[in-house]
Amino acid sequence: KAGVTQTPRYLIKTRGQQVTLSCSPISGHRSVSWYQQTPGQGLQFLFEYFSETQRNKGNFPGRFSGRQFSNSRSEMNVSTLELGDSALYLCASSRDVDQPQHFGDGTRLSIL
Amino acid sequence: AQSVTQLDSQVPVFEEAPVELRCNYSSSVSVYLFWYVQYPNQGLQLLLKYLSGSTLVKGINGFEAEFNKSQTSFHLRKPSVHISDTAEYFCAVSDVWGAQKLVFGQGTRLTINP
Repeated sequence: KAGVTQTPRYLIKTRGQQVTLSCSPISGHRSVSWYQQTPGQGLQFLFEYFSETQRNKGNFPGRFSGRQFSNSRSEMNVSTLELGDSALYLCASSRDVDQPQHFGDGTRLSIL
Repeated sequence: AQSVTQLDSQVPVFEEAPVELRCNYSSSVSVYLFWYVQYPNQGLQLLLKYLSGSTLVKGINGFEAEFNKSQTSFHLRKPSVHISDTAEYFCAVSDVWGAQKLVFGQGTRLTINP
């Protein structure tokens, strides 16, 4: 059974640019969540999508957005990139509420 | 809102020794509790979870954890560690209504010495 797949694995951008990250969940999983991991702030929840609707949202500025498609694949977009956006972005999927989340290996985003 | 405190940022132990990684949480509502492990350049792997029922939870790779509601703790234990257990361990909590919104502790780096 394939796990959660995130693409690309590594990305380098410059300040002011925008970026789109992709996540393919485990087959049959309808919930997709995104997390940001940095050395200073640790793991922080960004948002969660279920059946194409945003169901939960963390405390991030509006520059961070996401969406989910009918096949449960999800994308995350960050506009007007800042140096502080450099992080490992992790995607996790689960079947539904009270089911544990399974994580991908992440996309490492570096801002120059 | 929930919060998680992992009391040790680093824990060094010798191979085959027992280990305990400590986790305390704070929440005004009922919670689910999780332990995840992260190996270098990888995502998070679920070790074990507490949703309800028995307070002693067994997970993968010989790990177990005990939920203590009165002390709001969920400590992770292993009776005998191996070099391959070297990794970062994260305790996480979610409320039972927003179970996909995990709040993580800062992590504990477990180092196994031969």
